[in-house]
Amino acid sequence: ETQMTQSPSSVSASVGDRVTITCRASQDISNWLVWYQQKPGKAPKLLIYAASTLQSGVPSRFSGSGSGTDFTLTISSLQPEDFATYYCQQANSFPPVTFGQGTRLEIK
Amino acid sequence: QLQLQESGPGLVKPSETLSLTCTVSGGSISSSGYYWGWIRQPPGKGLEWIATIYYSGSTYYNPSLKSRVTMSVDTSKNQFSLKLRSVTAADTAVFYCVRHREYYDTSGYYIYFFDYWGQGTLVTVSS
Repeated sequence: ETQMTQSPSSVSASVGDRVTITCRASQDISNWLVWYQQKPGKAPKLLIYAASTLQSGVPSRFSGSGSGTDFTLTISSLQPEDFATYYCQQANSFPPVTFGQGTRLEIK
Repeated sequence: QLQLQESGPGLVKPSETLSLTCTVSGGSISSSGYYWGWIRQPPGKGLEWIATIYYSGSTYYNPSLKSRVTMSVDTSKNQFSLKLRSVTAADTAVFYCVRHREYYDTSGYYIYFFDYWGQGTLVTVSS
């Protein structure tokens, strides 16, 4: 089973900042990595799949990169609506499906 | 626009069986390349995949829950269901039904991710 570890667990930032969240896999998963955004009280929303492909309708300030075991989600210029919790997920095969523990992005 | 809606009791007693149904609208549950699943999230915690089913009836379970979980699908009603047996307080969570998409990547492999989610339903296990 591939373990996914996100860092940091939480981060504080201001509107307009550039933020990077990291996800590390316990084994090589090529580019089989997905990112989700979850706002309080809401279901998660798909942001990025295949490590760097933006889901339709997701703003271009979001980007993903990486391959193998190390991946990043970058928000180039934070907007008020971006404050949320972000999860990564390994996507190469199942079972099982595994998620990172989440990174909470808070307003500074 | 595809929509998923969970339904079922919000309160289940310990040792009993949790049963949930997801109704899919705006698309067919029998579409090729799409699986259907359940994910749960305990209050204040992260996401845990529970199980996935294909319209043909093939099922895939989280090994940590496999002994207690059963998924089924009813293509005539465009619904799929979850049963979780012998629940305890640790099973209290928001349960999401999801579309589990199979995507053919340019690398030549299939990848799998959740592109549509229901709004979630809180199930509390308590006497």
